[in-house]
Amino acid sequence: DIQMTQSPSSLSASVGDRVTITCRASQTITRYLNWYQQKPGKAPKLLIYAASSLQSGVPSRFSGSGFGTDFTLTINSLQPEDFATYYCQQSYSTLWTFGQGTKVEIK
Amino acid sequence: EVQLVESGGGLVQPGGSLRLSCAASGFTVSNNYMSWVRQAPGKGLEWVSVIYSGGDTYSADSVKGRFTISRDNPKNTLYLQMNSLRAADTAVYYCARDIGHSAFDTWGQGTLVTVSS
Repeated sequence: DIQMTQSPSSLSASVGDRVTITCRASQTITRYLNWYQQKPGKAPKLLIYAASSLQSGVPSRFSGSGFGTDFTLTINSLQPEDFATYYCQQSYSTLWTFGQGTKVEIK
Repeated sequence: EVQLVESGGGLVQPGGSLRLSCAASGFTVSNNYMSWVRQAPGKGLEWVSVIYSGGDTYSADSVKGRFTISRDNPKNTLYLQMNSLRAADTAVYYCARDIGHSAFDTWGQGTLVTVSS
C-alpha cells in the first residue's frame, strides 16, 4: 500500500495567516492527490483534486501544488471557518489511502 | 440536490454482522464509482471498499473477506455487508461518491458502528 505522511500533525495560526500543509507519498503518485477539510462531527469536504484543481464552491484562498511524491496545501489569509483538520488522499492505486491529518488550531 | 443518507449502524457484539445502507438522491449510484470510508473515534480516515460503475469491487486488506460492498440499482442505494465484526471495526462509516480522479465530492452524514460485548 502507498503510505501518506502529512506534516505537521497540528499547527496553531492566527486569522489572516498563510498556512502550508505538506503531504508526502511513499512512492510516486504523479498528480493523484486530493485534499479534504473536516470539522468536528461532520463529514469531510473535498477542497482540491488532482493535486491542484479547486473543487467547485471552494474559496480561492485554498490552493494545492505538487507532483510525484511531495504535495502542498496552502491556505492564504486564514479565516475563522478554516480551523479544522485537513487530510490528503492518494488516488493513484485502487487501495486508496489517507494521510493521518493536520489539525489547524487558533493561536 | 445531490445527497447521500446512511443508515443501519448500531451496537453489535464481536463476531456479529451488520448491513449499512446509503440512499442516494439527485444522481444515479450505478453510473458512479461509490465508496465506503470509515473513521474510528478520534482517528483519521480509512478507505474501506469501492464499487465501480461496471460492478467490479475492491476492499482494503483490513476488511477483505469480511465486508462486501453492493448496490441495488432500482432503489438507487449502496450497501456494506459487514460480517465477523471486530472491536477494531468500531467507527463512523461514510458512503461517498467519486467524481473521477478517485476524489470524493459527496459524502453522507455517517453512521456509527460500535462493536462491543
